[in-house]
Amino acid sequence: DSGVTQTPKHLITATGQRVTLRCSPRSGDLSVYWYQQSLDQGLQFLIQYYNGEERAKGNILERFSAQQFPDLHSELNLSSLELGDSALYFCASSALPTYEQYFGPGTRLTVT
Amino acid sequence: SQQGEEDPQALSIQEGENATMNCSYKTSINNLQWYRQNSGRGLVHLILIRSNEREKHSGRLRVTLDTSKKSSSLLITASRAADTASYFCATEGGQGAQKLVFGQGTRLTINP
Repeated sequence: DSGVTQTPKHLITATGQRVTLRCSPRSGDLSVYWYQQSLDQGLQFLIQYYNGEERAKGNILERFSAQQFPDLHSELNLSSLELGDSALYFCASSALPTYEQYFGPGTRLTVT
Repeated sequence: SQQGEEDPQALSIQEGENATMNCSYKTSINNLQWYRQNSGRGLVHLILIRSNEREKHSGRLRVTLDTSKKSSSLLITASRAADTASYFCATEGGQGAQKLVFGQGTRLTINP
């Protein structure tokens, strides 16, 4: 158990819909990261937050957005969903100055 | 696109044998990390090696880093059935941003 929690575990929704994925980092970790894992693209970094502020952006679509709240939990919002958005979405957290990232169990999103 | 490329893509060995996986990357890095993923589950951090280190050990794991060749290897000694998983290398090279860039992974199967 990494200490990072993600909800829900599974999500099935239709194209065009909007969903919110939630992540609680390990106790004390200020950085939260979101990754997408799909068969064709592999593991892709989406976005990083540090202590509530956006720190780095990767291959995140404009239809996707995220935020980190004062209690350090984070949410990833996916809107206007397309079939290609079906993937595993992972959240990870880390504590500076170390660079190890600890991953949650993931949310499996299926868009039908 | 992925920075890291693992080789081989798949590896099948007998229990008790050693397994070696290689990773190559393209740009300069701050550190390189190896992760394990059991099928469809979250990633587990195995080991981190910094750019000024050449070799690191952790239990049955040995990681080497050659920054001149932009390559790393992960050696698992005395393999066990429980080591069956996908192994990913990930590089961190951003200034101040800790995003990880993952390779496509090596699928390791340990046969009893």
